[in-house]
Amino acid sequence: AIQMTQSPSSLSASVGDRVSITCRASQGIRNDLGWYQQKPGKAPKVLIYGASSLQSGVPSRFSGSVSGADFTLTISGLQPEDFATYYCLQGHNYPLTFGPGTKVETK
Amino acid sequence: QVQLVESGGGVVQPGRSVRLSCAASGFTFTNHAMHWVRQAPDRGLEWVAVISLDGSIESYADSVKGRFTISRDNSKNTLSLQMNSLTVEDTAMYFCARETYWDHLQFDYWGQGTLVTVSS
Repeated sequence: AIQMTQSPSSLSASVGDRVSITCRASQGIRNDLGWYQQKPGKAPKVLIYGASSLQSGVPSRFSGSVSGADFTLTISGLQPEDFATYYCLQGHNYPLTFGPGTKVETK
Repeated sequence: QVQLVESGGGVVQPGRSVRLSCAASGFTFTNHAMHWVRQAPDRGLEWVAVISLDGSIESYADSVKGRFTISRDNSKNTLSLQMNSLTVEDTAMYFCARETYWDHLQFDYWGQGTLVTVSS
């Protein structure tokens, strides 16, 4: 199975900050990666699919990029509603695998 | 509007079985593969299983293979997960999720989840 690593596991940030979260797959997954946001007690919500495509209705401050084997989710100008846990998901091979998550907390 | 509503969770003893259901509405059910994803308390997300549009193809996480069976009834717009030989490690919130595939897979709609607690 493809293993997903994600860093950092948590970060502290302030409203307005630029935040970046990175995922790396244990083998090539092309651009078959999505980013999901989850708030406590809620189901996850897709933000980005195909590594860099913004899901309809998601604010443009969220963006996804790829550099080599590293997939990055960037939040440009953190908003109060963005404090949550973020997961990457590889959709290249079954079994699908999520990254372990990054909790974005208020500084 | 798209809705996915899970049911069937509860407290179950180790070694016993439980069947989860996910009622889908607001979209053409037969146009989408469907998945189950779970989340143990205070843990991350774990993909569990997928079933194809017509139910002919299934795939499972290694952790549940041979114990869980995913199925769908396209006449009733319902997704199911039969969970047998449960262990405490299966304690989790179980979400059903709709797959949409536009060059790349995404889970674009999720249910609210149903909690399964395996405990004696």
